[in-house]
Amino acid sequence: GEDVEQSLFLSVREGDSSVINCTYTDSSSTYLYWYKQEPGAGLQLLTYIFSNMDMKQDQRLTVLLNKKDKHLSLRIADTQTGDSAIYFCAVSNSGYSTLTFGKGTMLLVSP
Amino acid sequence: DTAVSQTPKYLVTQMGNDKSIKCEQNLGHDTMYWYKQDSKKFLKIMFSYNNKELIINETVPNRFSPKSPDKAHLNLHINSLELGDSAVYFCASSLREDTEAFFGQGTRLTVV
Repeated sequence: GEDVEQSLFLSVREGDSSVINCTYTDSSSTYLYWYKQEPGAGLQLLTYIFSNMDMKQDQRLTVLLNKKDKHLSLRIADTQTGDSAIYFCAVSNSGYSTLTFGKGTMLLVSP
Repeated sequence: DTAVSQTPKYLVTQMGNDKSIKCEQNLGHDTMYWYKQDSKKFLKIMFSYNNKELIINETVPNRFSPKSPDKAHLNLHINSLELGDSAVYFCASSLREDTEAFFGQGTRLTVV
């Protein structure tokens, strides 16, 4: 089945850019998502990209997709302390009912 | 006004007990899901329901049973709880299978 890998931890200073990386194994993955989980809270969908796209930008967030390498990244510009959370990469080939999540990357933003 | 609400938020129980976690969504969505997040933060889908019909059942022990009394509710029943069932369980819903899923706050289950 699908396997999704992420680095477990990233530490940046406030104002820097953060880049969180994700790799997946199923080349038929069509939907690729980034979720944010703050302590004690549920999962919040940040952004998503379809496999027919290479890049998507949404305010401070930029998603890059390299289909050849099966690599997805999330860039957060001007990272703020409020961005500290766990970020999950999730992929699917048929919508939300078959989402496979990575283990999450804990982003720590220091002042 | 919470879109997807789960109760209880925390649940501590002894091995062998039977427990239920409730989930309600007020978004008028057709599809609801249950996910399990283990101690290593790994999320895995357990069930999804579309118009009260189970459409996915991953390799989940049959001690776990989803029950949907109506389109707005998908409750999770767990029989004969085991230590390994300790995790955070998330309920979610989406308008359709291919639209954005909204997640609840999670229920932290601890089996002692």
